[in-house]
Amino acid sequence: AQSVTQLDSHVSVSEGTPVLLRCNYSSSYSPSLFWYVQHPNKGLQLLLKYTSAATLVKGINGFEAEFKKSETSFHLTKPSAHMSDAAEYFCVVSEFPGGYQKVTFGTGTKLQVIP
Amino acid sequence: GAVVSQHPSWVICKSGTSVKIECRSLDFQATTMFWYRQFPKQSLMLMATSNEGSKATYEQGVEKDKFLINHASLTLSTLTVTSAHPEDSSFYICSAPGQGAVSNEQFFGPGTRLTVL
Repeated sequence: AQSVTQLDSHVSVSEGTPVLLRCNYSSSYSPSLFWYVQHPNKGLQLLLKYTSAATLVKGINGFEAEFKKSETSFHLTKPSAHMSDAAEYFCVVSEFPGGYQKVTFGTGTKLQVIP
Repeated sequence: GAVVSQHPSWVICKSGTSVKIECRSLDFQATTMFWYRQFPKQSLMLMATSNEGSKATYEQGVEKDKFLINHASLTLSTLTVTSAHPEDSSFYICSAPGQGAVSNEQFFGPGTRLTVL
């Protein structure tokens, strides 16, 4: 069965300090993994994705994530937080059991950036 | 890149009325589209999978007679909330898988905010 666990529902960091948003997954197949960001009352924006190529994935706005199969993790990081990074972040797993696509969302992590 | 649009972006309706939400893939074809619902401060929950030319597949607990889905063409899926009630107020988001090299990626619409009075 496919599942996604975002370990922190809320993360608070000071502006200019590193960001770490944690995500663990389980999958019976070779999954693709994504991080999306959602600003208040807005749609979803893709930050980055892992699709079985390089395990260290770089995305937009300075974010990156590393796929660690042994740890079943796909944590999102950024060296220095900016005020505009304050938003909700979702880790998403996609797989193709039986030929059809199945997408599962994590519960989300709200990132607060303190000036 | 692949773009998905939704219309309307927000709607307010009276209890008991029906509301139709459109999801369009603007520059690509989508034989499958997905409908999600997001309550405040919660994650997206998959409601149903819309299949072009056939019946939609609903997730457990989603009433198919209340949330009517029609996938009439390769670029359009509609979700109709019938006899809407205040508890149906939510943010509804659709998505479509990309094609070719991005077929494992979902492209999301901007969402539709439904408020039922």
